[in-house]
Amino acid sequence: QLQLLESGPGLVKPSDTLSLTCSVSGASISGSYWSWIRQPPGKGLEWIGYIHSSGTTHYNPSLNTRVTLSLDTSKNQFSLKLTSVTAADTAVYHCARGSPVADTWAQGVMVTVSS
Amino acid sequence: EIVMTQSPATLSASPGERATLSCRASQSINNHLAWYQQKPGLGPRLLIYGASTRATGISARFSGSGSGTEFTLTISSLQSDDFAVYYCQQYKDWPPTFGQGTKVEIK
Repeated sequence: QLQLLESGPGLVKPSDTLSLTCSVSGASISGSYWSWIRQPPGKGLEWIGYIHSSGTTHYNPSLNTRVTLSLDTSKNQFSLKLTSVTAADTAVYHCARGSPVADTWAQGVMVTVSS
Repeated sequence: EIVMTQSPATLSASPGERATLSCRASQSINNHLAWYQQKPGLGPRLLIYGASTRATGISARFSGSGSGTEFTLTISSLQSDDFAVYYCQQYKDWPPTFGQGTKVEIK
């Protein structure tokens, strides 16, 4: 059974880089698309971007200049880096399999941007 | 960016009742629509894609319909496990965008 689990700091300072990793178990990351989606408190869901196991990436234009997705097939993990964060980046960050439809989601991790 | 609008924001219903949730797109998305269910503290669960195709393991109590700009998710007979927030999502254009959600609560 496919399971995904995010890990990373729950608190990031303004202007710093937010870094999260999604560990995949129960399936190989090879051959699939992997996504990051976030949900600010009290707001809707926002698709950050996806990475294919081939390394192809596609980002939301609203975040394009600040986002980098990468993957580590040896560890069966994929990662998110978001630079120059502000309070507006405070959200629950979910990793998921699939794009543009996500068929399996992780629980999500709350990341707060604050000094 | 395509804007998705869901109604109502909250739907109060009793177990056993039929629930009808609506989703409207700001422009035609053909049938490129998915529905998700989210419970507190969990990630969303895919229910429907292609506007009407149930995802693997999803109960036949859930059905989706519509095309173009108007879509509906119907839960035929609400069970206690169905009380949650439901989101629609378009994937015709990049980036995929979600509605603000409909909360289905116990009446």
